[in-house]
Amino acid sequence: ETGVTQSPTHLIKTRGQQVTLRCSSQSGHNTVSWYQQALGQGPQFIFQYYREEENGRGNFPPRFSGLQFPNYSSELNVNALELDDSALYLCASSPRQAYGYTFGSGTRLTVV
Amino acid sequence: RKEVEQDPGPFNVPEGATVAFNCTYSNSASQSFFWYRQDCRKEPKLLMSVYSSGNEDGRFTAQLNRASQYISLLIRDSKLSDSATYLCVVNKDNYGQNFVFGPGTRLSVLP
Repeated sequence: ETGVTQSPTHLIKTRGQQVTLRCSSQSGHNTVSWYQQALGQGPQFIFQYYREEENGRGNFPPRFSGLQFPNYSSELNVNALELDDSALYLCASSPRQAYGYTFGSGTRLTVV
Repeated sequence: RKEVEQDPGPFNVPEGATVAFNCTYSNSASQSFFWYRQDCRKEPKLLMSVYSSGNEDGRFTAQLNRASQYISLLIRDSKLSDSATYLCVVNKDNYGQNFVFGPGTRLSVLP
């Protein structure tokens, strides 16, 4: 059973650019959530996808968008990057909603 | 008030000590509760779910008090390998739309 995998592991972008982060959920998991974790803080919920549809969103602006594909893998897109977007972005999958999540190892994004 | 609050930490304890982490949540309608562990520069990993009746897993005991909106985690006979940040997580509804993480409490177990 493969776990949750994220790519890339590290990324450096310039302010104003766009970025796409990718996540392959654990086999059999149809629910994927994305979180942003700034240094020294707990993860903050960005949004969740369930069966290819957005199923809840946290307090993030529209320039944060996502997709889920038929194989339940997912993408997080961030447009017009700002310096404060620098963080660890975590993808988490679950076999069903409201169940404990399995996290990927994250993508560390640095915006300069 | 933050939705999920935890002891600010860090906690520095000797090996073999018993350590307790406290967590409070503001949404009385919250449905499910978890403790996650996060090692430095790694992803959070599920430590245990927290049930109303309380539950134990080896050296770890979790308790939930819905009336007080309070969750706890007790680690007995702490090991060096227990050093990590412990995150309290509250699910606000049964649909998994929004797991809310606390800021975490860092634990260092010292030899």
